[in-house]
Amino acid sequence: EAGVVQSPRYKIIEKKQPVAFWCNPISGHNTLYWYRQNLGQGPELLIRYENEEAVDDSQLPKDRFSAERLKGVDSTLKIQPAELGDSAVYLCASSLWGQTVEAFFGQGTRLTVV
Amino acid sequence: GIQVEQSPPDLILQEGANSTLRCNFSDSVNNLQWFHQNPWGQLINLFYIPSGTKQNGRLSATTVATERYSLLYISSSQTTDSGVYFCAVERDGSNYKLTFGKGTLLTVNP
Repeated sequence: EAGVVQSPRYKIIEKKQPVAFWCNPISGHNTLYWYRQNLGQGPELLIRYENEEAVDDSQLPKDRFSAERLKGVDSTLKIQPAELGDSAVYLCASSLWGQTVEAFFGQGTRLTVV
Repeated sequence: GIQVEQSPPDLILQEGANSTLRCNFSDSVNNLQWFHQNPWGQLINLFYIPSGTKQNGRLSATTVATERYSLLYISSSQTTDSGVYFCAVERDGSNYKLTFGKGTLLTVNP
């Protein structure tokens, strides 16, 4: 069974440019998460989807970040415009919906803003 | 929010040694997971263990939910065990949000 797939693996952009990350969750997983991991820290939740609905986006900086999950499968996370402080690893995870769940993570996208 | 503290922050071992990593959390949890982040950044699921004890090969984990801690045991360590070990918890009522500790950086030398 394929795991969570993310692309690209690495991205280097200049500040003020837009960038987008893509995630394909594990087949059948209706819950999808985007996390951000700063250097030397644990991942922190940005947004959680149940199917195509964003049910927790309280940590998403909405002035420059946006996300979508059309048809409740793949998801994209966008930053526009990027700032130097956005340099981090962006991780996608998925899980089955339920009372409590085990989350599985993709390999992440390492973003460097110069 | 819930606080998750991992110890030690860094650990250096010789190959073949055993180790214990600890995770303390400040509130009741529905879920606790241990992950290994390899040098390429991939988070590998080790254990889903909100309570009790589980074993998988050279690794085992114990969570004592009533006392708000979990332990990860690594026996006969290998160089491939190197990386960062994260504990992540889902607080009761937090709607599936995992809160991570800062991790333990393990280095196993040959």
